[in-house]
Amino acid sequence: DIQMTQSPSSLSASVGDRVTITCRASQSIDSYLNWYQQKPGKAPKLLIYAASSLQSGVPSRFSGSGSGTAFTLTISSLQPDDFATYYCQQSYNVPRTFGQGTKLEIK
Amino acid sequence: EVHLEEFGGGLVQAGGSLRLSCVASGFIFSRYAMHWVRQAPGKGLEYVSAINFNGGRTYYGNSVRGRFTISRDNSKNTLYLQMGSLRAEDMAVYYCAREVRTVSGELDYWGQGTLVTVSS
Repeated sequence: DIQMTQSPSSLSASVGDRVTITCRASQSIDSYLNWYQQKPGKAPKLLIYAASSLQSGVPSRFSGSGSGTAFTLTISSLQPDDFATYYCQQSYNVPRTFGQGTKLEIK
Repeated sequence: EVHLEEFGGGLVQAGGSLRLSCVASGFIFSRYAMHWVRQAPGKGLEYVSAINFNGGRTYYGNSVRGRFTISRDNSKNTLYLQMGSLRAEDMAVYYCAREVRTVSGELDYWGQGTLVTVSS
C-alpha cells in the first residue's frame, strides 16, 4: 500500500496568515493527490483534486501543488472558517490511502 | 442535488455482525464507483472498501479484508457494507462517498456518517 505522510500534524496560526501543509507519498503517484477539509462532527469536504485543481465552490485562497511524491496545500490568507483538520489522499491506486491529518488551530 | 445518507450503525458486540446501507439520490448511482471510509473516535480517516459502478470489482483495506463485504443494488440506489467478526478497533463513524467518473479518482460527495460502536 502507498503510505501518505503529512506534516505538520498540528499547526497554530492566526487569521490572515499564509499556511502550508505538506504531504509525501511513499512512491510516485503522479498528480493523483487530493485534499479534504474536515470540521468536528462533519464529513470531509473535497478542496483540491489532481494535486492542483480547485473543487467547485472552494475559495481561491486554497491552492495545491506538487507531483510525484511531494505535495503542498496552501491557504493564502487564513479565515476563521478555515480552522479544521486537513487530509491528503492518493487516488493513484487502491487502497486509496489518507495522510494522518493536519489539525489547524487558532493561535 | 447529490445526497448520500448512511443507515445501520449502532451497538454490536465484539464478534458480531452489522450491515450498513448508503442510500444515494440526485445522480445516476449506477454510473459511479462508491467507497466506504471510516474514522475512529478522535482519529484520522481510514480507507475501508470500494466497489466499481456495476459491482464487478471490489477493493478492501488490509484491516477489514476477509471480514467485510461491500456490495451495491443499483436498482435501489443503495450501497452496502456487510461487517462481520467485528472488533473493538472497528468502532468508528462510517462514511460512504462517491468517486468522480474521471480518472483523477477523488471523492466528491460524502454522506454524514453512521456510528458503529463495538462492545467487548
